[in-house]
Amino acid sequence: GDSVTQMEGPVTLSEEAFLTINCTYTATGYPSLFWYVQYPGEGLQLLLKATKADDKGSNKGFEATYRKETTSFHLEKGSVQVSDSAVYFCALSDQAEGTALIFGKGTTLSVSS
Amino acid sequence: DVKVTQSSRYLVKRTGEKVFLECVQDMDHENMFWYRQDPGLGLRLIYFSYDVKMKEKGDIPEGYSVSREKKERFSLILESASTNQTSMYLCASKGVLNLAFFGQGTRLTVV
Repeated sequence: GDSVTQMEGPVTLSEEAFLTINCTYTATGYPSLFWYVQYPGEGLQLLLKATKADDKGSNKGFEATYRKETTSFHLEKGSVQVSDSAVYFCALSDQAEGTALIFGKGTTLSVSS
Repeated sequence: DVKVTQSSRYLVKRTGEKVFLECVQDMDHENMFWYRQDPGLGLRLIYFSYDVKMKEKGDIPEGYSVSREKKERFSLILESASTNQTSMYLCASKGVLNLAFFGQGTRLTVV
């Protein structure tokens, strides 16, 4: 079945450092891809999305590009802030109606000043 | 703003109790989901529903059931709570463009 694999954390960075969190997927069709973020004590919030190959999702300085040839959707940010400390989840969803999102295990990011 | 509301942020229940976790969405979404989140395991799908009175098992349905009598409400039921069901429970609904929205989560402790 479909699956998502993302790099294990925790990832510890200093403020203003460059961030990459790797995510690869396995899917039989052409899924939509997502990054969700979870701040401490909260539910998940959608960070960005891409629905087809070569699409780039972006939000709050974060970017990810849907790479069909490498089945990847890596999350990047040029300069992280302490407020970016959270757990980041990569996810996919089949384009068909009535299907669930499949999540990676999450990557904890900790940014220090 | 879209909204998914879970009835409780924190719950403490005794082993063997029947537990109801409620979730309400105001976006007229067809699809609703229940996940549990555990450290090192990420989010695992318990059940989902793609229409009123319709349900599908997810990856870990054992020990759980669900109810969807109205489109906006999706309830998760622990028939007889056990300590291994201590977890964070997350409800989500999904609409157009496959965008899913999550509630704030219910942290359940079974003692």
